[in-house]
Amino acid sequence: DAGVTQSPTHLIKTRGQHVTLRCSPISGHKSVSWYQQVLGQGPQFIFQYYEKEERGRGNFPDRFSARQFPNYSSELNVNALLLGDSALYLCASTGRSDTQYFGPGTRLTVL
Amino acid sequence: SQQGEEDPQALSIQEGENATMNCSYKTSINNLQWYRQNSGRGLVHLILIRSNEREKHSGRLRVTLDTSKKSSSLLITASRAADTASYFCATDLNTDKLIFGTGTRLQVFP
Repeated sequence: DAGVTQSPTHLIKTRGQHVTLRCSPISGHKSVSWYQQVLGQGPQFIFQYYEKEERGRGNFPDRFSARQFPNYSSELNVNALLLGDSALYLCASTGRSDTQYFGPGTRLTVL
Repeated sequence: SQQGEEDPQALSIQEGENATMNCSYKTSINNLQWYRQNSGRGLVHLILIRSNEREKHSGRLRVTLDTSKKSSSLLITASRAADTASYFCATDLNTDKLIFGTGTRLQVFP
């Protein structure tokens, strides 16, 4: 079975632009979570979605939004990009167990 | 904010030696998980230990959990150069929101 997939792998944007990151969970997993990992730190929780409903939100500004589709894939949107948004964005999916399986991440660079 | 810290922040050992990393956290937990990350790539799940468990093994990995001290340790036995990576602990409390520590960078020299 394929693992969690994310696209794109890398992305370069300029300040003020908007970005959309995509995630496909492991087949059969209905929960998707998003994390931001700044260089040198551990991942920080952004959102969790389960069956298309938001179940949790971390301490991130309203510029960050997400949604989950009927096929359980998910998008993370960030508006009005700032230099500080440069990070590795990780998506994770969870099935019936409590284990979260992570994708390879999207490296976002904001210039 | 981070849940806690891993200790040490960095660890260098020779192949064949054992590596021990410690994790401390701040609040009550349901589960504690350990992950490995190679060079800023995605996280690879290593092991999950539940709050009512004290020790768990998986291959060369041994994890302990002491909920009274709010701490966990990860032992990698007979380390290999391929174990070189950053290791993170992550906790959750009845949700899918994982709270990660700051990580330990492990370097294993051949």
